[in-house]
Amino acid sequence: GAGVSQSPRYKVAKRGQDVALRCDPISGHVSLFWYQQALGQGPEFLTYFQNEAQLDKSGLPSDRFFAERPEGSVSTLKIQRTQQEDSAVYLCASSRWDRTSNQPQHFGDGTRLSIL
Amino acid sequence: DQQVKQNSPSLSVQEGRISILNCDYTNSMFDYFLWYKKYPAEGPTFLISISSIKDKNEDGRFTVFLNKSAKHLSLHIVPSQPGDSAVYFCAASATDSWGKLQFGAGTQVVVTP
Repeated sequence: GAGVSQSPRYKVAKRGQDVALRCDPISGHVSLFWYQQALGQGPEFLTYFQNEAQLDKSGLPSDRFFAERPEGSVSTLKIQRTQQEDSAVYLCASSRWDRTSNQPQHFGDGTRLSIL
Repeated sequence: DQQVKQNSPSLSVQEGRISILNCDYTNSMFDYFLWYKKYPAEGPTFLISISSIKDKNEDGRFTVFLNKSAKHLSLHIVPSQPGDSAVYFCAASATDSWGKLQFGAGTQVVVTP
């Protein structure tokens, strides 16, 4: 597809369950980013990949959060033992961006995660 | 700490008039700035960006102004159209933490007929 694709669009889980969120970036985009957006706030950075390498995971809120991009394309954000405060919209973005130039990040429509 | 601030949570403007959205930042290392537009239940859509080496960038109805000494960014939309009704986010990144966009909380724009 032409844009960043995220699935599922909506996910409801019980507290304590594990969830996996998928992101298909724009074809050819080297960089992939995950953000968390709480209601009424701007997105907050979670982690960043360049190809398959995870270069920055400073925004991951706890060790229950794990992201991977094993072949440098599709990425998965996994949250283990979910808690109610994990309820948010999780946004994925991709970019041609690398160290040599600034390029905008293009976002998917997000996965809305609700923890009961 | 919130390094990018949008102090106006909402803005109402008449169709055909100018919309001016403001953004302030505190980190002097920021060197790339972007504006995104967001409709409900959709992801942010990139609008326009500016590098710190410039003070103005224009794309159609959208112009972004950067005042580095004041650490202030603004987005002008002229003329405003009903389809511009959305939440607008300001974002910034720094070379030393490249890729990590820091966002403001957003400004809800309503364009009235």
